[in-house]
Amino acid sequence: SQKIEQNSEALNIQEGKTATLTCNYTNYSPAYLQWYRQDPGRGPVFLLLIRENEKEKRKERLKVTFDTTLKQSLFHITASQPADSATYLCALRGGAGNNRKLIWGLGTSLAVNP
Amino acid sequence: DSGVTQTPKHLITATGQRVTLRCSPRSGDLSVYWYQQSLDQGLQFLIQYYNGEERAKGNILERFSAQQFPDLHSELNLSSLELGDSALYFCASSVGGFDTEAFFGQGTRLTVV
Repeated sequence: SQKIEQNSEALNIQEGKTATLTCNYTNYSPAYLQWYRQDPGRGPVFLLLIRENEKEKRKERLKVTFDTTLKQSLFHITASQPADSATYLCALRGGAGNNRKLIWGLGTSLAVNP
Repeated sequence: DSGVTQTPKHLITATGQRVTLRCSPRSGDLSVYWYQQSLDQGLQFLIQYYNGEERAKGNILERFSAQQFPDLHSELNLSSLELGDSALYFCASSVGGFDTEAFFGQGTRLTVV
């Protein structure tokens, strides 16, 4: 079955360092992958979308890579700040036709310590 | 503020009851999505409507139904509620399909007692 895995353990890093989050998938050939940020009790907020023909995408301090051979996406936050503390979710398009849908990982919790 | 409005924010109801969750999408967005989020299962896609028509269906139970009205607002109806239906229900909207940026509402926290 189609499966997405994100680090289940919380990631704790020091302010100013680079945070790297991982999203692995199996039994997919997704056309694109998305990353969202979610704060407690709030809806997810879109960050970046990367397509299968793009190796890397950047937005300000954020960088996403997409390796379709390894079936993995890495999400980097450089010069991290305490305000970056949140849960980060990856999502891929799965299924086909009327069964297509976004399938979500469980998320990785990031804590940036001042 | 995402521009997506969900009501109510909180709902407490008894098992066996029926509730309706409401969603107003961002102005100009034609797609509306419904998601269920629980601690152990994460975000589960339920259903998508595009310009009034059902476009994609996910893990939506037969006890649940949804619709999108001509003014593009949407409702999710949950009936014969069970304790396990307690969760956060999110509505999201986007201009197009799954490959366009989705904007999520604040969610409705449903507690079934």
